[in-house]
Amino acid sequence: DAKTTQPPSMDCAEGRAANLPCNHSTISGNEYVYWYRQIHSQGPQYIIHGLKNNETNEMASLIITEDRKSSTLILPHATLRDTAVYYCIVRVGGGGATNKLIFGTGTLLAVQP
Amino acid sequence: SAVISQKPSRDICQRGTSLTIQCQVDSQVTMMFWYRQQPGQSLTLIATANQGSEATYESGFVIDKFPISRPNLTFSTLTVSNMSPEDSSIYLCSVGPGIGYTFGSGTRLTVV
Repeated sequence: DAKTTQPPSMDCAEGRAANLPCNHSTISGNEYVYWYRQIHSQGPQYIIHGLKNNETNEMASLIITEDRKSSTLILPHATLRDTAVYYCIVRVGGGGATNKLIFGTGTLLAVQP
Repeated sequence: SAVISQKPSRDICQRGTSLTIQCQVDSQVTMMFWYRQQPGQSLTLIATANQGSEATYESGFVIDKFPISRPNLTFSTLTVSNMSPEDSSIYLCSVGPGIGYTFGSGTRLTVV
C-alpha cells in the first residue's frame, strides 16, 4: 500500500471549516483514499473514502486532486468534538474489500473555542 | 456496522505473566485484525485473523509472543505472553470487510 504524509498537527477555530491535507504521491490506480479519526481513548472511526471523484457524506467532504497524488479532508463546520487525530490511509479496494488498514502518524486537529 | 465488545477494558499485570484479550462481534465477519497502540503513537497492525486458518503476523510480531485464536466468525482472542513493561499499550481489535472497518474500544494494558 502507498505511503501517506500528513502534517503532525493543525488548529481550527470552532465553526470554521477544517481542511486536512494528505500527500500520497505513490498511490496506485486501484488504491482508494480512506480517512479515519481517533478521538482520545476511543477506537478509530471511519469518516469517508474515495477513488478519484470528490465525495461527501454527513460527516465530511473528500477532495482528491486530478493526479490523485494528494487529497484534502474537509470538516465544514468544526466543533470541539472534532478534536482528534485524523488518519489518511490508502489501500486497495473499496466496499467489500478485505485488505488490512495500515495507519500512518496522522494529524492532530485541535479545534479551538 | 458491526458492534464490537472487547474485554477486559483495562488491566494491570505483573511482568512475566500472560493476558488474554477477547473480541466479540455482534455479527459474522470474515476478517478480524489486532492492533497495538503504544503510548502517544499511531496504531500498528499485529496480525490478521481469519476463521479456520492460522493468523498472519506482520513483521516484528511472532506467534509465540502474540498467539491468536479465531474459533468462529464472531469471536477472537489475542494473548500477550511473558509480558514486560514494553508491552504496556492499548490493544484493539477491528473487523471487516466493509467500507469502514469497525474498531473496538481497546484494552489498556499496563505491565509492572
